[in-house]
Amino acid sequence: DARVTQTPRHKVTEMGQEVTMRCQPILGHNTVFWYRQTMMQGLELLAYFRNRAPLDDSGMPKDRFSAEMPDATLATLKIQPSEPRDSAVYFCASGDSGAWGETQYFGPGTRLLVL
Amino acid sequence: SQQGEEDPQALSIQEGENATMNCSYKTSINNLQWYRQNSGRGLVHLILIRSNEREKHSGRLRVTLDTSKKSSSLLITASRAADTASYFCATDYGSSNTGKLIFGQGTTLQVKP
Repeated sequence: DARVTQTPRHKVTEMGQEVTMRCQPILGHNTVFWYRQTMMQGLELLAYFRNRAPLDDSGMPKDRFSAEMPDATLATLKIQPSEPRDSAVYFCASGDSGAWGETQYFGPGTRLLVL
Repeated sequence: SQQGEEDPQALSIQEGENATMNCSYKTSINNLQWYRQNSGRGLVHLILIRSNEREKHSGRLRVTLDTSKKSSSLLITASRAADTASYFCATDYGSSNTGKLIFGQGTTLQVKP
């Protein structure tokens, strides 16, 4: 049963520290998405990649966030320096392209708390 | 921005009853999708309906799409306590077919045993 995996599942850190979240997409999927979910804003798209190339990161605060795909089996989202307002659940999803669009498969999320 | 808006925001029903959730969007689409999120979990894809389809079924789920009204509905028949979750509609970007989805704020469904 193929699944998207994310690590860590929970992270508590202090303001100013670097946070790195990792995602392993489903093998064979060529699209990877990073989302952030909060009660106030709902589910926001931060960045996404197709065939490891970044296609859109307009939803991401550029000064502190960065997203990369070093290889087809790993996507990373980094926050440096972290701030309390970054506290949220961060989801990675990988996409299965079809003629009529993508179906996205979500990981379990990384719950981040910045103190 | 193009976004699915769900209605109602919250719904509470008794087990065995039907649950209907609605979604409206703003611009043309290739497809509309529904996802479920259980508390503390990631979203799970339920169903995709293409822009040239009007109705689709999957088990106890029935989805309709009215492109003239830019709206969709998700019907869960004979609900169960396990259906308690948040339900999101998501729309793509129509002609660009980038794969990006815009999610609505979701409908929180509570099914009481």
